Amino acid sequence: GESVGLHLPTLSVQEGDNSIINCAYSNSASDYFIWYKQESGKGPQFIIDIRSNMDKRQGQRVTVLLNKTVKHLSLQIAATQPGDSAVYFCAERDRGGTSYGKLTFGQGTILTVHP
Amino acid sequence: DGGITQSPKYLFRKEGQNVTLSCEQNLNHDAMYWYRQDPGQGLRLIYYSQIVNDFQKGDIAEGYSVSREKKESFPLTVTSAQKNPTAFYLCASSIRTVGADTQYFGPGTRLTVL
Repeated sequence: GESVGLHLPTLSVQEGDNSIINCAYSNSASDYFIWYKQESGKGPQFIIDIRSNMDKRQGQRVTVLLNKTVKHLSLQIAATQPGDSAVYFCAERDRGGTSYGKLTFGQGTILTVHP
Repeated sequence: DGGITQSPKYLFRKEGQNVTLSCEQNLNHDAMYWYRQDPGQGLRLIYYSQIVNDFQKGDIAEGYSVSREKKESFPLTVTSAQKNPTAFYLCASSIRTVGADTQYFGPGTRLTVL
């Protein structure tokens, strides 16, 4: 999960294993969630998104699970590869009452894949 | 990075100088955003624009200014009033701000104050 401060959570896995990265959110009004991947020195790259009326969505090698009861989001990566090594962070959108759906970003989890 | 470009990739600034970071997108997106990223922290919103000639302050707008004269362009000026400008700056765009539209990011500009 996410944490406060300079020390990001880390996850180390072996190549070929499945990875699960977690994100806790606090805003019950959030209705849209996104997972991003960020490699060192680069901009975040969209991976997958999910709306609050769903609890699971699958992409290519990735699955996002949403548990609104406990405000928890997870990203599952199947058959993790060295190229998956990066910082992964979630973002949530508050539908609110304004015209702007502000995204709030988590601090990220460092995924390291060992060959 | 898609159709969003940022320049320069690296920028060095002396204290007291204003610098402008460029962001261009060819995705025909209405909305554009500027974020700041510091080590170990989540992205923080500086400014956003929903449409040409309109922009709004984000959470940490002090010491920054923007303009949106063209749909494709959303430059950010880091002024001398910004007390701690060294950071990684990210520009993003989305089709619109209302609705569940994903924000797509550029490659970033790393600003260092000497």
